Parts: sequence; C-alpha cells; structure tokens
Amino acid sequence: GESVGLHLPTLSVQEGDNSIINCAYSNSASDYFIWYKQESGKGPQFIIDIRSNMDKRQGQRVTVLLNKTVKHLSLQIAATQPGDSAVYFCAEKPSDSSYKLIFGSGTRLLVRP
Amino acid sequence: DTGVSQDPRHKITKRGQNVTFRCDPISEHNRLYWYRQTLGQGPEFLTYFQNEAQLEKSRLLSDRFSAERPKGSFSTLEIQRTEQGDSAMYLCASRPSGRQKETQYFGPGTRLLVL
Repeated sequence: GESVGLHLPTLSVQEGDNSIINCAYSNSASDYFIWYKQESGKGPQFIIDIRSNMDKRQGQRVTVLLNKTVKHLSLQIAATQPGDSAVYFCAEKPSDSSYKLIFGSGTRLLVRP
Repeated sequence: DTGVSQDPRHKITKRGQNVTFRCDPISEHNRLYWYRQTLGQGPEFLTYFQNEAQLEKSRLLSDRFSAERPKGSFSTLEIQRTEQGDSAMYLCASRPSGRQKETQYFGPGTRLLVL
C-alpha cells in the first residue's frame, strides 16, 4: 500500500552543525512533496515543498532533495539552531488524490547546545 | 493572526459522550481538510471539503464521525458516542484553489482525551 516512512526516528546534532533528515516514499505516482515541522502541542508548520519535476529546492537555511529513482526525499538544515528542535514530517500527495497528504511517522530532531 | 484556528484546543470527555470541534480556515481558502494524529505518528487524512461540498472521506471516518462545512467557511467535526480509541489530536488544514497552490496550512489542533 501507500506509505511514507523515515529512516531515523531520532536525530541528535550539535548546534551549528548541518542536519539531514531522510524520508522514503512508496507511491511513484506522487507529484508533490512537503516537509513540516511540528513542535510539542502545536500543529504542523510548513517548511518547504517540492514538485516531482524538480530534484532540488532551497529555502532559508533549508534544502529539500528529491530522488525519484529511489523514491527518496531529504531535508537539509544548515547551521542547526536550538529552535530547530522538533519533530519533522515528510508528506506526499498522490497525483490521483483529492490533494490529501500522506504523512510518515516523523523524525525527532534534538539540537545539543 | 490570520492562520487556521481551531476550537477548543483541548477537550476531555467521558466515553459515550458526543463532542464537536470547530475549524476556521484561512480567509478565502476554499479547500479544507481534517486529519487525526495519534502520539508519535504523522497526521492521517479524515475528510476533505471544497467549498461546502464534502468530496472525500477516509475509511477512518466511521459512522460516528460527521463533518460539515455549511457555508463554505468554517467547518465542524462531530464525534458521537466517543470511545477511548478516539483520543487523538484532530487537525484542520486549509489551502486555496489552484493546482500551483498545494501547500496545506494547519491549525493548532484540538486534543481530545476520552476517559
């Protein structure tokens, strides 16, 4: 069935280092992917998105890479800060859906001071 | 604050009671989504509205669940005869129409605890 999964449930990094959060997806028909950040007790917050016709997109301190060959998505955070500590979810939108998103189970990012 | 708002933020109820949650989407967003999130998991799609029309419902949405969006603006999600398994965070998201505007913006959620 359709699934979006993450390789590492918890990632601990030193403040100032770069972070890489990985995600595997299974639906080759998905045409849109998105990363959300969720802090405790809050709703998911949009970080960055990418369409399937792209393989890289950059934002402020964040970069999303899409490898459709191996169905892999990653989120890179440069110069990780304590405020980046949260759970990160990737999500995919199948092209034949009503634009609903299919989420993975999340990766917790811990930033050590 | 012009983001998605949800009310209440927290709800504790006894098993068997009915509960209703409200979502106010971002102004002029005609697409509205409900998701459910349990601890440690990603959100799971429940249902989707385009304006006032409910266009898709997940298998997760049992007969005890009903959602409405009567005027195409705010939406309500009602759970009848609540069960302990209904305990979760209920999230609402909205987005504007248009194929190039696919980002869904989430509200803060309503956390439900069924005792």
